Amino acid sequence: EDQVTQSPEALRLQEGESSSLNCSYTVSGLRGLFWYRQDPGKGPEFLFTLYSAGEEKEKERLKATLTKKESFLHITAPKPEDSATYLCAVQFGGSQGNLIFGKGTKLSVKP
Amino acid sequence: GAVVSQHPSWVICKSGTSVKIECRSLDFQATTMFWYRQFPKQSLMLMATSNEGSKATYEQGVEKDKFLINHASLTLSTLTVTSAHPEDSSFYICSARDMGATDTQYFGPGTRLTVL
Repeated sequence: EDQVTQSPEALRLQEGESSSLNCSYTVSGLRGLFWYRQDPGKGPEFLFTLYSAGEEKEKERLKATLTKKESFLHITAPKPEDSATYLCAVQFGGSQGNLIFGKGTKLSVKP
Repeated sequence: GAVVSQHPSWVICKSGTSVKIECRSLDFQATTMFWYRQFPKQSLMLMATSNEGSKATYEQGVEKDKFLINHASLTLSTLTVTSAHPEDSSFYICSARDMGATDTQYFGPGTRLTVL
């Protein structure tokens, strides 16, 4: 069964304290792995798409990496405004573009 | 670019009434749109896949006669919750698939439905 697992469920950081979020997956024929950010009461905001192992993408303080089994979202020197739930989703071969979502990691950054 | 809107952003209705939610892709055409629901502190659960000009594909356990989906154009999909009941109260989110180079789903801001 195709699965996406995110860890940790929640992460509390001090401002400036770098860390990483993990997304592991067991999917046949990965077509793409997506990272989204979701603020309370809002829809997910697209961050990155990764397609193949070894690929990396960066945006401001965020950097996403991909291996054959997992993806990491590295947050460098986070700020309070980075507080949100980060969702990982995978798209697999043969689908209509359906995404399988992990349960998310809730990040809190304290000043 | 890649903006998806939803309307309304929130709605309160009485039990037994029907509610329509619109999802629009504002700056790209989407042959495929998706409808999700999200309960508090949980992740998104796919309800159905909406394809322009054809019938929607519903996920297992989702009642197609209760959640009516229409995708009449390349920029608009609607979800109608018929005979709503309190257990239908949830956060409904749509996404539109941009089948360009990145094949990415962009999400709307969501609609909070409360059924009294």
